[in-house]
Amino acid sequence: EVQLVESGGGLVQPGGSLRLSCAASGFTFSSYWMSWVRQAPGKGLEWVANIKQDGSEKYYVDSVKGRFTISRDNAKNSLYLQMNSLRAEDTAVYYCARERGPRRFDPWGQGTLVTVSS
Amino acid sequence: QSVLTQPPSVSAAPGQKVTISCSGSSSNIGNNYVSWYQQLPGTAPKLLIYDNNKRPSGIPDRFSGSKSGTSATLGITGLQTGDEADYYCGTWDSSLSAPHWVFGGGTKLTVL
Repeated sequence: EVQLVESGGGLVQPGGSLRLSCAASGFTFSSYWMSWVRQAPGKGLEWVANIKQDGSEKYYVDSVKGRFTISRDNAKNSLYLQMNSLRAEDTAVYYCARERGPRRFDPWGQGTLVTVSS
Repeated sequence: QSVLTQPPSVSAAPGQKVTISCSGSSSNIGNNYVSWYQQLPGTAPKLLIYDNNKRPSGIPDRFSGSKSGTSATLGITGLQTGDEADYYCGTWDSSLSAPHWVFGGGTKLTVL
C-alpha cells in the first residue's frame, strides 16, 4: 500500500524553527518528485515546495523562499521540510504528497499541524 | 487570493447534478493538465480527477472532468450526502520566472 506519514509538527514561537518529516512506503520513493502542501485553519490548499527525484531541483512558493528548505533522503525514503523564521501566517496543517507528472498529487499524507504562536 | 478561481459554494439536492468551475490563465490551466481533489471534513485531500478528465481507480463515474482553454469543470451526477466536501482544482503554473503549483480557493458542496 502506498503510504505517506508526516511527523514533526507542534507549537513553536514566532521566529522559531521546526523540521517536518514525511516517511514514504509502498513505492519507489526515489522515482518521484515530492511536494509539501499546507492548509491554514479554515482556508484552502497552498503548495509550499517541491523537489526532484535526486534533489537537484527545488521550487518554493514566494512566501517561504529564504526561510524554508525542502530536502530528501532516498536511502531512508524520507522527505523533509526545514522551517526557519516561522511566522503566525505559517500556521497550518502541512501535507506531503507524491507528484505524478507534474500532473497530479497522489497520494497525500494525513498531515501534521504546525502552530506558530507566543 | 488564489491563482485559480472557483465558486466558494454550490448546492443541490440528492440525486441531482452539480458542476464546479475553475478558471485560470494561459500559464497554468491553458497549457497544463488539471487535477481535482476531494477533501471530506477532517481528512486529507484525495485525488478525484487527473489529466483534465481521467478518474483514478476506485472513483465512480458519477465524477467527471473537462477542460476548455483556460477553464476546467468538475461534474458530479447522482449526488449523495456522502459527496458533501470541499473540492479543489490544481495545476502546474509554468511561469518562466518561477514555476509552481497552484490551486483554486476551494468549493464547498452542500447536498441539501
